Amino acid sequence: GAGVSQSPSNKVTEKGKDVELRCDPISGHTALYWYRQSLGQGLEFLIYFQGNSAPDKSGLPSDRFSAERTGGSVSTLTIQRTQQEDSAVYLCASSFDPNTEAFFGQGTRLTVV
Amino acid sequence: DAKTTQPNSMESNEEEPVHLPCNHSTISGTDYIHWYRQLPSQGPEYVIHGLTSNVNNRMASLAIAEDRKSSTLILHRATLRDAAVYYCILRDGAYGQNFVFGPGTRLSVLP
Repeated sequence: GAGVSQSPSNKVTEKGKDVELRCDPISGHTALYWYRQSLGQGLEFLIYFQGNSAPDKSGLPSDRFSAERTGGSVSTLTIQRTQQEDSAVYLCASSFDPNTEAFFGQGTRLTVV
Repeated sequence: DAKTTQPNSMESNEEEPVHLPCNHSTISGTDYIHWYRQLPSQGPEYVIHGLTSNVNNRMASLAIAEDRKSSTLILHRATLRDAAVYYCILRDGAYGQNFVFGPGTRLSVLP
């Protein structure tokens, strides 16, 4: 079956613009995670959704970042007033439940110019 | 969060076994030990996970110390495709947390 799908695969935006990144998790997966990875760096946790529980937003770096997950499926990560330091690969993952393996998408490469 | 410690880098020769160590001295009773790897220019992929007993799957084996304060990921015959960053992660099975990735171990496989 289909894996985790992210769109767009690449996004170039001007500083100050808003961007929306989309994640389609694997059908039936209750857990969804967002991470970002700057060039040559490790993975930085952003936000975690689990079923109908309140999301764990502890990793969001500033109030310019927000995410929602509609109907327990698709998730959108929104970055307002983008800055150059937001340039990174944004990775989404999903898992059937919190105790099973997570499947990662290929990521969205965001470049802020 | 319980933390893990891994060597920054390791080298192996192709077709030889590789033992990747991970220390997690503050592990709690409900923490699962997960291993993921990230190949160049790709998202992380699941390798294996376990709680107390050693685990085997088609990709690797996971050996967990009796006191659970350390574990070892074993690749039985390294191939060039196994060159990646390997992450050892603790995850509380009781509370279902996010995955906290450390810097991992960069494995180089020499032909």
